[in-house]
Amino acid sequence: DAKTTQPPSMDCAEGRAANLPCNHSTISGNEYVYWYRQIHSQGPQYIIHGLKNNETNEMASLIITEDRKSSTLILPHATLRDTAVYYCIVRVAHGGADGLTFGKGTHLIIQP
Amino acid sequence: DAGVIQSPRHEVTEMGQEVTLRCKPISGHNSLFWYRQTMMRGLELLIYFNNNVPIDDSGMPEDRFSAKMPNASFSTLKIQPSEPRDSAVYFCASTPGVTGELFFGEGSRLTVL
Repeated sequence: DAKTTQPPSMDCAEGRAANLPCNHSTISGNEYVYWYRQIHSQGPQYIIHGLKNNETNEMASLIITEDRKSSTLILPHATLRDTAVYYCIVRVAHGGADGLTFGKGTHLIIQP
Repeated sequence: DAGVIQSPRHEVTEMGQEVTLRCKPISGHNSLFWYRQTMMRGLELLIYFNNNVPIDDSGMPEDRFSAKMPNASFSTLKIQPSEPRDSAVYFCASTPGVTGELFFGEGSRLTVL
């Protein structure tokens, strides 16, 4: 019972903004949206998370719709090193140390 | 700062042998997780510990798998006896349990012949 839906793959030109969508139409009021990525042969890496408001850090921006049923991860100036599988995860507890459930993610390919 | 450290990075063994994977979490993190990744099943949570105590091992595939965390700085995942279908990359992750951000190690790639 997947909680999120992501496109299996996307392409983006180097230097352009990469916009990765995620659908989480059954999200509960206390669930956060987390984004991780996994570069080939490496462990997953945390990117960003949010509850309601848009969030930005040094890696990316997270835009969450007002009804919270979908979100978009934005990499503002994609580089070849951003080629990876990106996972969108909804998670019940903020601050709770329970595990994350990973889906299949989106394989983002940055084209030179 | 040292991240999560896993060993060995690569292990090749024969069916029936015992395999032990090791993990050193980031100092100060009080939760530790073991994941397995295969092409067919993706990333699966096997077990996690809070303050060295196993909380949820429902993801452990069968009795051949066991995990321990004798102290805050060390954990092991053991497979005995190993089978070819156990071939996968095994990841360890830790978190301070405040932000929900998990820090993953580089993984241990296991091949069972």
